[in-house]
Amino acid sequence: DAGITQSPRHKVTETGTPVTLRCHQTENHRYMYWYRQDPGHGLRLIHYSYGVKDTDKGEVSDGYSVSRSKTEDFLLTLESATSSQTSVYFCATRGYRGNKEDNYGYTFGSGTRLTVV
Amino acid sequence: QQQVKQSPQSLIVQKGGISIINCAYENTAFDYFPWYQQFPGKGPALLIAIRPDVSEKKEGRFTISFNKSAKQFSLHIMDSQPGDSATYFCAASLNDYKLSFGAGTTVTVRA
Repeated sequence: DAGITQSPRHKVTETGTPVTLRCHQTENHRYMYWYRQDPGHGLRLIHYSYGVKDTDKGEVSDGYSVSRSKTEDFLLTLESATSSQTSVYFCATRGYRGNKEDNYGYTFGSGTRLTVV
Repeated sequence: QQQVKQSPQSLIVQKGGISIINCAYENTAFDYFPWYQQFPGKGPALLIAIRPDVSEKKEGRFTISFNKSAKQFSLHIMDSQPGDSATYFCAASLNDYKLSFGAGTTVTVRA
């Protein structure tokens, strides 16, 4: 999706190894989010950021950490990957759209498919 | 615990038919209710959204119906087309800065 780049797109890693996923935006949006998508659960919020160095936990934050040293970059780290963290990870930003009802909308990246073996 | 419950999990509709997806929420403080559409291999994209001060919003073939007293809202896809085949997510938030999503509905439109 325009303005948001996630890397890598696919990754296979071994249990116990650290993994970092990157989200890069060119929209200069203040809010950034990491979600994971699993069948039957929809998208669940892992962590979010409301500014440089300002982050907070979402509903499924255990085992994950984040960092945001620049407006455009939001990193998600799995400290020690487990099989339960096999998922598709989406980054999103929230930015002003200027529409009447949807002044602020979310834009999602194309996702990172992570497999922990 | 999921704050937004979505049903059905999947549905099949004939071309030209109506697809209906329902969502229910618990938190009465929610004030923003968007629907997202997701195609395979892509991220979700905003389809249509509603605020609780209106009971219905229509954009083209897509309509949101909102029932504040019942804490329910639904998406109607009129004249369904094969290109509408996708997964649809309802969501809700307070001050639209932290979305809670439903589990998703996979819609298949048969030609």
